[in-house]
Amino acid sequence: GESVGLHLPTLSVQEGDNSIINCAYSNSASDYFIWYKQESGKGPQFIIDIRSNMDKRQGQRVTVLLNKTVKHLSLQIAATQPGDSAVYFCAENKGTDKLIFGTGTRLQVFP
Amino acid sequence: DAGITQSPRYKITETGRQVTLMCHQTWSHSYMFWYRQDLGHGLRLIYYSAAADITDKGEVPDGYVVSRSKTENFPLTLESATRSQTSVYFCASSDPFGATSGGTYLDNEQFFGPGTRLTVL
Repeated sequence: GESVGLHLPTLSVQEGDNSIINCAYSNSASDYFIWYKQESGKGPQFIIDIRSNMDKRQGQRVTVLLNKTVKHLSLQIAATQPGDSAVYFCAENKGTDKLIFGTGTRLQVFP
Repeated sequence: DAGITQSPRYKITETGRQVTLMCHQTWSHSYMFWYRQDLGHGLRLIYYSAAADITDKGEVPDGYVVSRSKTENFPLTLESATRSQTSVYFCASSDPFGATSGGTYLDNEQFFGPGTRLTVL
């Protein structure tokens, strides 16, 4: 079946280190991927997106990598800060009417 | 400058009662969405709307009703609440015709509200 999942439910990193959050998807027809950040008690917030015709896209302190060969998506956060502590979701759009969200990875940043 | 708001933020109700969750956005975005968020399932789409008076089912529409008489409002009604509908509900909106649009309503950012935590006893 179709699924978007995450390899690690919780990721703990030290402040200043780089974080890598991974996501696997199963539908090779997906053509658009998004990363969202959700802080406690708040709604998800868009971080960065990438289309299937790209391998990499960079934002401010964040980079998304897309490996279509192994159907893998990752979010890299440089110089992780305490404010980065949140749950991160990947989502895919297969070109249908729906975004399919993964179950989320919790990022914990320690001083 | 409120953006997208939801009310109530918290609601406790009993099985069988009708409950309506409100969503209001001030951007005049054409698309609006309702999701539910449950542990282990992430966000699942309940219903969405492309414009006023146009709605369509998402992944988990059973037990829910929506309407969109005005662009800025998108209420979600549980006609007869069940315990399985205990969840956190998020409303979102997007503007596929905006400057940063990728061409379809899903090729661009969805802005989420703060959520409504609903408990059905």
